[in-house]
Amino acid sequence: NAGVMQNPRHLVRRRGQEARLRCSPMKGHSHVYWYRQLPEEGLKFMVYLQKENIIDESGMPKERFSAEFPKEGPSILRIQQVVRGDSAAYFCASSPSGRNQPQHFGDGTRLSIL
Amino acid sequence: AQTVTQSQPEMSVQEAETVTLSCTYDTSESDYYLFWYKQPPSRQMILVIRQEAYKQQNATENRFSVNFQKAAKSFSLKISDSQLGDAAMYFCAYRSHGGGADGLTFGKGTHLIIQP
Repeated sequence: NAGVMQNPRHLVRRRGQEARLRCSPMKGHSHVYWYRQLPEEGLKFMVYLQKENIIDESGMPKERFSAEFPKEGPSILRIQQVVRGDSAAYFCASSPSGRNQPQHFGDGTRLSIL
Repeated sequence: AQTVTQSQPEMSVQEAETVTLSCTYDTSESDYYLFWYKQPPSRQMILVIRQEAYKQQNATENRFSVNFQKAAKSFSLKISDSQLGDAAMYFCAYRSHGGGADGLTFGKGTHLIIQP
């Protein structure tokens, strides 16, 4: 029973490029959450999605960041025109339904900006 | 907005001993969930234990137990018979049950070192 799958594990981009991070939730899970972890910090909530809907994006920067969870395929976190400050570990979590269910985390994507 | 505070950046314990990690939180809500997650060097986030605020009984999972003091807004994690594999960052997290934020709010973490 595969867990939450994130890819790539490591992503290197130059300043100004685009970064695309993918997350496939656990089988049967329709709720996806994205978090960012800066060095020496805890995880910070970014966005909560259900299939084809953004439910809560209160933690997402207003510019350059976007997220989607299409009807088919993985959830995508997209960062346009990356800057050095975007370097972080990005974690995806999924749950079968809403807030009463625990969130299961993927192994994260470490994004490095040159 | 809710906040979670972990006042111990680092803790060290001898193998087989017991250690307690502290966590306090601030909220105006009466119903919520609290969690402890473990993050080993592999950076995976592993759920250790979960507590529902409406339950007075402290949650227990094998060697891991919590001391949940709702009035004091305290949620400490006790690890008994510490093992080398327990070495990791431990994060305390809060989540609303009702109409609050959907995501987890994490503390900054405690780095647990196990001395052989």
